[in-house]
Amino acid sequence: QKEVEQNSGPLSVPEGAIASLNCTYSDRGSQSFFWYRQYSGKSPELIMSIYSNGDKEDGRFTAQLNKASQYVSLLIRDSQPSDSATYLCAVNRGSSASKIIFGSGTRLSIRP
Amino acid sequence: GAGVSQSPRYKVAKRGQDVALRCDPISGHVSLFWYQQALGQGPEFLTYFQNEAQLDKSGLPSDRFFAERPEGSVSTLKIQRTQQEDSAVYLCASSFRQGYEQYFGPGTRLTVT
Repeated sequence: QKEVEQNSGPLSVPEGAIASLNCTYSDRGSQSFFWYRQYSGKSPELIMSIYSNGDKEDGRFTAQLNKASQYVSLLIRDSQPSDSATYLCAVNRGSSASKIIFGSGTRLSIRP
Repeated sequence: GAGVSQSPRYKVAKRGQDVALRCDPISGHVSLFWYQQALGQGPEFLTYFQNEAQLDKSGLPSDRFFAERPEGSVSTLKIQRTQQEDSAVYLCASSFRQGYEQYFGPGTRLTVT
């Protein structure tokens, strides 16, 4: 079992709809959770961080964390073609606050 | 303000050559990380510095890989006797302190021929 699991996609969503990206993790001691966006040929760009259970909203993005279910999700409202990218879920190891483990990413495609 | 910078952006090395990759973190960021990213995969952790101290090097794939951050600012990742399997994008990230958000540089794409 991978430490951080994501569906590789591609996930195809029509423009204007809500895109829902999911991630599960195995380390119950994890405390820090991040979503990064990566365009092809570019480096990861931080979108959201979340540290406690519940929802955190920032503009069109909402991160959701459920530690009991070891589940993190990212919702993108009013999806735009520019949102087409790979989305990486990242989780710290409970035993090492510094060490971040990345999932393999979900490719998101927004169709006009 | 300035983000994380890396140089060179692209490096082609012949098998067996040594390479050095540089990372200049965001000013004031205590923590610095190196990752290796293969095509279609997420970044894989290599090593972590807090100031000049290398606190975790568990991800370095072999003793051919060596990283340093002698003055707690700029870091260098050195790969000795490069092999084809070392071909990847090497990413550097920094954060204000451990456990906080990491910000990535543009990466160095290494191709070993």
